[in-house]
Amino acid sequence: GAVVSQHPSWVICKSGTSVKIECRSLDFQATTMFWYRQFPKQSLMLMATSNEGSKATYEQGVEKDKFLINHASLTLSTLTVTSAHPEDSSFYICSAKGQNYEQYFGPGTRLTVT
Amino acid sequence: GESVGLHLPTLSVQEGDNSIINCAYSNSASDYFIWYKQESGKGPQFIIDIRSNMDKRQGQRVTVLLNKTVKHLSLQIAATQPGDSAVYFCAENMMGRDDKIIFGKGTRLHILP
Repeated sequence: GAVVSQHPSWVICKSGTSVKIECRSLDFQATTMFWYRQFPKQSLMLMATSNEGSKATYEQGVEKDKFLINHASLTLSTLTVTSAHPEDSSFYICSAKGQNYEQYFGPGTRLTVT
Repeated sequence: GESVGLHLPTLSVQEGDNSIINCAYSNSASDYFIWYKQESGKGPQFIIDIRSNMDKRQGQRVTVLLNKTVKHLSLQIAATQPGDSAVYFCAENMMGRDDKIIFGKGTRLHILP
């Protein structure tokens, strides 16, 4: 089956710094990728839709200048959390849409901001 | 607003019994639904899906039922096993809107020995 990876799987950073999370489709091309955030004991909340070669579309309430998304190739999308603060600590999950209608989810990245 | 929600946050089931997890959705225009399983610290895992032109779909040990009249979904797991312990989400795929997948609140399934 289609595989989506994320790197790193977990990261700890200091408040005020930026951190980049990668999402890769390993065996298929993904014109569209999605980024989600999940707080403990809560559901996944869609943050943005990332289309290859174009600007990301952000959901209402998500700061585009804080969560920078780049989808430079058909197999890679990156999410950069800029000037991270403790409240940004969360589980970030990406998904990638394949040639069919199915979406494949990554394993998630645990971000802790101290 | 439009949302997909769940009735029960936690469900405890005896090992070997059948589990039924319920979900309500509010957007009558939704035409595709998915059930996911999420284990602790991992991403969601696809279980089964169903389109709005179907009432029932069966997989291996799992069945999804769709009642469009009352906008209700259910996931039935037969002969529940310890490995079924996880949080289960129903999700709505917003076809025609960038194929966004919108998740419901989730139900934790706890298996009793």
